[in-house]
Amino acid sequence: EVQLVQSGAEVKKPGATVKISCKISGYTFTDFHMHWVQQAPGKGLEWMGLIDPEDGETIYAEKFQGRVTITADTSTDTAYMELSSLRSEDTAVYYCSTMGSGSSDYWGRGTLVTVSS
Amino acid sequence: SYELTQPLSVSVALGQTARITCGGNNIGSKNVHWYQQKPGQAPVLVIYKDSNRPSGIPERFSGSNSGNTATLTISRAQAGDEADYYCRVWDSSTVFGGGTKLTVL
Repeated sequence: EVQLVQSGAEVKKPGATVKISCKISGYTFTDFHMHWVQQAPGKGLEWMGLIDPEDGETIYAEKFQGRVTITADTSTDTAYMELSSLRSEDTAVYYCSTMGSGSSDYWGRGTLVTVSS
Repeated sequence: SYELTQPLSVSVALGQTARITCGGNNIGSKNVHWYQQKPGQAPVLVIYKDSNRPSGIPERFSGSNSGNTATLTISRAQAGDEADYYCRVWDSSTVFGGGTKLTVL
């Protein structure tokens, strides 16, 4: 059974940095790109970026370029998403996902990040 | 950057057919994927590559894609189909539509 287990909820102050983890099991980590998606309360899905765990190559959405860093640790089958210079608008649920072009489309349960002074 | 346009809301009577559109420039040339998201849950893939259903998704869900519009069709709508639906494409980056709230009356 494929599982993507994300780290727990975080509360951060404006200007801080948050780092969320996504540990996979049930498939070969390097088989799929890992994507990160932001969903603010009551809002839609916003793609943040992806990483190819095989070579570490990343692509970031323009909106988050410069503030987001996605990494992958193949020794622990874990992907990470770090978002810096947090502001209140970054309060959201963050998902990791293997979404691609086929049916191998798996999602974590999401991690709530609250940015508040 | 590429944009996808979805209606904010669609209503359908119980047992009838709902159609949710996703508009984009020449979207027919791209692979379109559809997600269902219920409150408090992660999105679930219901259609991939325009018209393919993942295992476990009822045959009532179907998709099409041509020209500037992709469509998710839900036949014999049930109360359990009430959810937000999102389309997704790849265009040098992943792009999601704004989402459509489906209400089953």
